[in-house]
Amino acid sequence: AQRVTQPEKLLSVFKGAPVELKCNYSYSGSPELFWYVQYSRQRLQLLLRHISRESIKGFTADLNKGETSFHLKKPFAQEEDSAMYYCALSGKGGSEKLVFGKGTKLTVNP
Amino acid sequence: GAVVSQHPSWVICKSGTSVKIECRSLDFQATTMFWYRQFPKQSLMLMATSNEGSKATYEQGVEKDKFLINHASLTLSTLTVTSAHPEDSSFYICSARLPLGTSGRAGYNEQFFGPGTRLTVL
Repeated sequence: AQRVTQPEKLLSVFKGAPVELKCNYSYSGSPELFWYVQYSRQRLQLLLRHISRESIKGFTADLNKGETSFHLKKPFAQEEDSAMYYCALSGKGGSEKLVFGKGTKLTVNP
Repeated sequence: GAVVSQHPSWVICKSGTSVKIECRSLDFQATTMFWYRQFPKQSLMLMATSNEGSKATYEQGVEKDKFLINHASLTLSTLTVTSAHPEDSSFYICSARLPLGTSGRAGYNEQFFGPGTRLTVL
C-alpha cells in the first residue's frame, strides 16, 4: 500500500535558519515523489518533484530510496516560506493517483 | 497557464438537498480530474478519479451513489453531493492533470488544484 508520513505537524524556525521538513514513504514499486505547498488563503500548488532534480525558491529535496525518504530542505528560511507543506507520492507511469501526507505547517519567525 | 477553477467557492444548504460543485480547467484540456475532501487541519483525502467520457473510479469507502461525478467534457467535471447531511460538510477540492506526455515543466503526474469549495450542510 502507498503511504506517506510527515512526522511533524508543526515546525517553527527563525528567519535565516536552515529548515528541513521530513517525509517518509512506503511503496512497493518505483515511486514519484512531490512536494506541494499551500500558502495562506491560496490553493495547493506544486513546489517540486524528485524527477526534476530542481531547486525551487531555494528548496531542494533528494529521494533516498534506502531510507525511503524525501525530505525538503532550505538552507536559509524566509518569512514568506511560512505555509503548509504536503509530501505526495504516486507510482510511475503518470496514471497513478497521488497519495498525500498529512502535511507540516511551517512558520518562519522574524 | 494550467488554471483550475471551482464553483461555487462556498455553499450552505439544508440537510436532504443536493449540491453540485463544478471543476473547470480554464486553459487546458484535462482527461483526468480528481476530487478530494479535506477536513479541518487534515490532509487531502482522494475521493475519486474522474475520467472524461467514462465512469469515475471511487476510492474505497466513498459512496458512489452519494457523490455523483460527471466528466462530460475535457474541461469540466462535476461533483454532486446527493441528499447532503451535516457530516458531509467539508472542503472539497478538485485537481486536473495535463494529458500524459505533455512536454515542459508540467507533465506526468503534476496536478493543478482548484481553490476549493466549502460545503456547509445545516
